[in-house]
Amino acid sequence: QKEVEQNSGPLSVPEGAIASLNCTYSDRGSQSFFWYRQYSGKSPELIMSIYSNGDKEDGRFTAQLNKASQYVSLLIRDSQPSDSATYLCAVGSGGSYIPTFGRGTSLIVHP
Amino acid sequence: EPEVTQTPSHQVTQMGQEVILRCVPISNHLYFYWYRQILGQKVEFLVSFYNNEISEKSEIFDDQFSVERPDGSNFTLKIRSTKLEDSAMYFCASSVSGRYTEAFFGQGTRLTVV
Repeated sequence: QKEVEQNSGPLSVPEGAIASLNCTYSDRGSQSFFWYRQYSGKSPELIMSIYSNGDKEDGRFTAQLNKASQYVSLLIRDSQPSDSATYLCAVGSGGSYIPTFGRGTSLIVHP
Repeated sequence: EPEVTQTPSHQVTQMGQEVILRCVPISNHLYFYWYRQILGQKVEFLVSFYNNEISEKSEIFDDQFSVERPDGSNFTLKIRSTKLEDSAMYFCASSVSGRYTEAFFGQGTRLTVV
């Protein structure tokens, strides 16, 4: 059973702060890792993908992957109220690399 | 920007009826997926489709479900005899390939079974 675990939150941060979202996964053979953002009642929107150990930066977002610890994280710098959403971690593993989703972490950025 | 489109956005059906949810994946994508999300729960994988056949399916995807690519653009999910517990958001997604590529989601179809 492939498990992807996230703290459900909510994580509350002030505007302009760094939000740190974490995710662990059970399948050591996982190869692809994704962060999606989901606003209430909407579909998941891809933010970032990461495949190798280390950091990957895209604008205000940084994804970090540590395969030895089976841990992936997302940092959001200069958080804005519009970043308030549920952040979904998805992990691709197995022969077909189909993304398995965690339950998501609710982020609230307050002015 | 290319996007996955789904129709209808909302479908209400009576228990026991058949429903067909439609999706148009991004044109150069080869892998197609259906996921569902029951209200307040996580996004769950149903089925993946590649080269005109199912490549993988979950335990949820039982005999009441079927998928089809009837022409070069559409990808459909059929639920033969709907149950109350089938009420959920159904998302179609597509990706260029199955490995190391991102899946892009459509806006979803909200299915309500009454």
